[in-house]
Amino acid sequence: AQSVTQPDIHITVSEGASLELRCNYSYGATPYLFWYVQSPGQGLQLLLKYFSGDTLVQGIKGFEAEFKRSQSSFNLRKPSVHWSDAAEYFCAVGSNYGGSQGNLIFGKGTKLSVKP
Amino acid sequence: KAGVTQTPRYLIKTRGQQVTLSCSPISGHRSVSWYQQTPGQGLQFLFEYFSETQRNKGNFPGRFSGRQFSNSRSEMNVSTLELGDSALYLCASSLGQGAMTKNIQYFGAGTRLSVL
Repeated sequence: AQSVTQPDIHITVSEGASLELRCNYSYGATPYLFWYVQSPGQGLQLLLKYFSGDTLVQGIKGFEAEFKRSQSSFNLRKPSVHWSDAAEYFCAVGSNYGGSQGNLIFGKGTKLSVKP
Repeated sequence: KAGVTQTPRYLIKTRGQQVTLSCSPISGHRSVSWYQQTPGQGLQFLFEYFSETQRNKGNFPGRFSGRQFSNSRSEMNVSTLELGDSALYLCASSLGQGAMTKNIQYFGAGTRLSVL
């Protein structure tokens, strides 16, 4: 069965420091991978996505993620964190199994706190 | 272009009642997916509708149902509410067909349901 694991429930980093959020997935075929961010009381905003090709993908707000098939990972990175990045981050895997493209499997999320 | 709109934003109901939530997708999108978000279970897929047909369904009891109208707007209904149904219900829309690379899911802000 498909699954997504985000090992870190909560991470605190200092403003200006680098960030890496971990994501591991379990999926039998080529996965479609996503990172979403959720601010308190809000819906999910797409940060970036991977479908195929270049394994390093760039997203919005200065985020990037690297797909590593051998490690079944899709870690999110940012070189310098801003206080406004404090939010909860979700990794997700999608598929087009059976023609349905609207079913995302999400990890449990990583809450990011930013120290001034 | 307007985003995904969910109404109402907040609802308070009592056990045993039923509730209907509404979702208006982005113009031109024909797929609507619903997710339940709780602190304990995280984000879980409820169902997906495409062209007024349920295309995929998650592992939820029959008390949870939905439908989609010809203009792609969708509603979900929960009957005989239980305390455990308290959650943030998120709706996402996408084109729903064609290449997966074009079927990014865009989320609304959600409806916060509290069952007392």
